[in-house]
Amino acid sequence: AQSVTQLGSHVSVSEGALVLLRCNYSSSVPPYLFWYVQYPNQGLQLLLKYTTGATLVKGINGFEAEFKKSETSFHLTKPSAHMSDAAEYFCAVSDGGRRGNNRLAFGKGNQVVVIP
Amino acid sequence: KAGVTQTPRYLIKTRGQQVTLSCSPISGHRSVSWYQQTPGQGLQFLFEYFSETQRNKGNFPGRFSGRQFSNSRSEMNVSTLELGDSALYLCASMVREGGNTEAFFGQGTRLTVV
Repeated sequence: AQSVTQLGSHVSVSEGALVLLRCNYSSSVPPYLFWYVQYPNQGLQLLLKYTTGATLVKGINGFEAEFKKSETSFHLTKPSAHMSDAAEYFCAVSDGGRRGNNRLAFGKGNQVVVIP
Repeated sequence: KAGVTQTPRYLIKTRGQQVTLSCSPISGHRSVSWYQQTPGQGLQFLFEYFSETQRNKGNFPGRFSGRQFSNSRSEMNVSTLELGDSALYLCASMVREGGNTEAFFGQGTRLTVV
């Protein structure tokens, strides 16, 4: 079974400071990895994804993440936090739809608070 | 292109009742997945439908069921509601492109059981 660990349910960051959200995964097959963002009373919006190829992935709103197989990690970063980044962030893993299985396994999420 | 539409957005039900939630995927998408989101358990996979067939099922009791119609619209049903069923239910419209599958989520249905 695949799983994701996100530590620190609440993360506070000053406006203009680095945003770093950690994600470690467990998977018995090469993983497909995702970061989603959720604003209050909304669904999930895809920020970025890693499937194959380049391990540094750039997404929307200035976010990027790096896949490190040796560390089983897919940490999310943004160089400079903006007030609009306040939201909940979820890391997820899947096996990419192999064998017809499109199930996503999510971490518990990080609630990001941006301090002016 | 229209996104994933979930109806209703909010719902209040009484314990013991049953409820049906609806999801219309993005046009052309044939796979629909359902997830339950609660503060305690986070996001948990309920089931996935593809071409009117349930392809995968999560670890939920039989009170949770679903179906998919020929136009790919999907419904999920929860019978004999319990307080713990209060949650945000998210539907994802799935498409396979370039060898991998991407999920597009609706805004969810917020179910409150009282």
